[in-house]
Amino acid sequence: EVQLVQSGAEVKKPGESLKISCKGSGYSFTNYWIGWVRQMPGKGLEWMGIIWPGDSDARYSPSFQGQVTISVDKSISTIYLQWSSLKASDTAMYYCARQPTTVTKLAYFDYWGQGTLVTVSS
Amino acid sequence: SYELTQPPSMSVFPGQTATITCSGDKLGDKYASWYQQKAGQSPVLIIYEDIKRPSGIPERFSGSNSGNTATLTISGTQAMDEADYYCQAWDRITVFGGGTKLTVL
Repeated sequence: EVQLVQSGAEVKKPGESLKISCKGSGYSFTNYWIGWVRQMPGKGLEWMGIIWPGDSDARYSPSFQGQVTISVDKSISTIYLQWSSLKASDTAMYYCARQPTTVTKLAYFDYWGQGTLVTVSS
Repeated sequence: SYELTQPPSMSVFPGQTATITCSGDKLGDKYASWYQQKAGQSPVLIIYEDIKRPSGIPERFSGSNSGNTATLTISGTQAMDEADYYCQAWDRITVFGGGTKLTVL
């Protein structure tokens, strides 16, 4: 069974750093793109970026380029989303999701993690 | 940047057909996917590559895509279908529509 299990909720202060995780299991981890999607409170889904675990090739939405870092540790089948200096506007639910195709124009997400709620408040 | 536009909300009576649209420039030349997100839950893929349903998704969900509009159709809508629905396509990056809140009256 394919599973993406995310790390737990976080409460941070502005300016702090944070790294959340997404652990994949039940499939060949290095052969599927994994993406991150943001959902701010009461709002829609926003694609942040994606990574190929096989070679750590990461691509970002222009809206998130330079704001976050996506990385991978293949040895433990885990993808990360990292901030160096959080802002209150980073408060949101963050989902990881698997993209089952390498053909970019066919891109979609077939499995999703349970979400990680990040709250940034002073 | 590429944009996908959905109606913010719509309502339907049980048993009726719900049609949710997603508009984007030459969207018919791309592949559209649809996700259902119930309150407090993660999104679930319900349509991919315009018309395909993942295993386990009921047949009452169907999709089409032509011209500038992709359409999600829910035939015989049930109370359990009340949710937010998002379209998605790829245009240099993955793009989501703003979402449509479906209320089953």
